[in-house]
Amino acid sequence: EAGVVQSPRYKIIEKKQPVAFWCNPISGHNTLYWYLQNLGQGPELLIRYENEEAVDDSQLPKDRFSAERLKGVDSTLKIQPAELGDSAVYLCASSQTGTRGNIQYFGAGTRLSVL
Amino acid sequence: AQSVTQLDSHVSVSEGTPVLLRCNYSSSYSPSLFWYVQHPNKGLQLLLKYTSAATLVKGINGFEAEFKKSETSFHLTKPSAHMSDAAEYFCVVSGGYSSASKIIFGSGTRLSIRP
Repeated sequence: EAGVVQSPRYKIIEKKQPVAFWCNPISGHNTLYWYLQNLGQGPELLIRYENEEAVDDSQLPKDRFSAERLKGVDSTLKIQPAELGDSAVYLCASSQTGTRGNIQYFGAGTRLSVL
Repeated sequence: AQSVTQLDSHVSVSEGTPVLLRCNYSSSYSPSLFWYVQHPNKGLQLLLKYTSAATLVKGINGFEAEFKKSETSFHLTKPSAHMSDAAEYFCVVSGGYSSASKIIFGSGTRLSIRP
């Protein structure tokens, strides 16, 4: 069974440029998460989807960040325009819905460097 | 409200000696607790989880953790460290019974193994 797939693995852009990350969750997982992980810190939740509905986007900086999960499967996370402080690893995870103590399965992440 | 505190940012042990990574939590709900491991340039992997069943939880690679409600702790242990255990470890708290609950990661503990 394939795990959570993220692309690209690495991205280098100049500030003020747009950037997009893509995530394909594990087949059958209805819940999808996007996290931001700064160096030396734990992941911080940006947005969580149940199918195609964003049920928690309270930590998503909506002035420059956007996300979508059309058809409730793949998801994209976009930053426009990127700032120097956005340099971090962006993690995607998925889990089954309604499972007690949901186990999240993580992708390898996209490392973003903003110059 | 929920929070999680990993008491040590860095732990160093000799190969073959016991490992103890400390985690304290706070949760308004009966929590689910997890330990994840992150090897360099790899995705987060679940080590073990607690969801109100047995308080002593056994995980992969010889790790185990004990849920102590009176101490609000969920420390991770291993009897004998191996070089391959060197990684970053994250304690995670999740409240409630569904994926709609808040999920909070600790700041991480970096485990180093001395030969």
